[in-house]
Amino acid sequence: QVQLQESGPGLVKPSETLSLTCTVSGGSINSHYWSWVRQSPGKGLEWIGYISYSGTTMYNPSLQSRVTISVDTSKSQFSLSLSSVTAADTAVYYCARGLRSRLGNWFDPWGQGTLVTVSS
Amino acid sequence: DIQMAQSPSSLSASVGDRVTITCRASQSIDRNLNWYQQKPGRAPQVLIYDASSLQTGVPSRFRGSGSGTDFALTITSLQPEDFATYFCQQSYITPRTFGGGTKVEIK
Repeated sequence: QVQLQESGPGLVKPSETLSLTCTVSGGSINSHYWSWVRQSPGKGLEWIGYISYSGTTMYNPSLQSRVTISVDTSKSQFSLSLSSVTAADTAVYYCARGLRSRLGNWFDPWGQGTLVTVSS
Repeated sequence: DIQMAQSPSSLSASVGDRVTITCRASQSIDRNLNWYQQKPGRAPQVLIYDASSLQTGVPSRFRGSGSGTDFALTITSLQPEDFATYFCQQSYITPRTFGGGTKVEIK
């Protein structure tokens, strides 16, 4: 059974770069799409973007200028980088696998989430 | 972006009640609609995908319906473990967007 685990600093200073890694276990990263989603009290659930195992990316336009998602298949990991952070980027960050059917796609499973606070 | 409007934002119900949560998209999304359940301190978990397909392992009391712009999640007989927050999410186009959530509380 596939499991995802986020890791990275829980505190980031304003204007710096937030960096998180998601480690995939129990299954191969060499298929599906891999996403980042964040959740804050003020903005609810917000999709950040995804990457395919081959490296194809798609980002939320609201964050596109600051976001980079990368993948390291040799380590079964994918990563999120969000630059120039402000307090508005404080949230619980989740990684999730994207599954597809003939019709659509959905997120399953999700990592447990990691709280990132932006503060000096 | 496609806006997803959920209602109600919260509700109180008793064990055994039939509960319906609705989700309206700002434009047609065909059947590209998913439902998630989230419990406090936990990640969301998918219940229904493609509007009405039950995720493996999810009890059959959860039912999804709808197409186009109007969708519903029905819990036919509310159980104690169902008290949680429910979110809809569209997968029709990027950016993927979520509803604001419906918190189901014990009456």
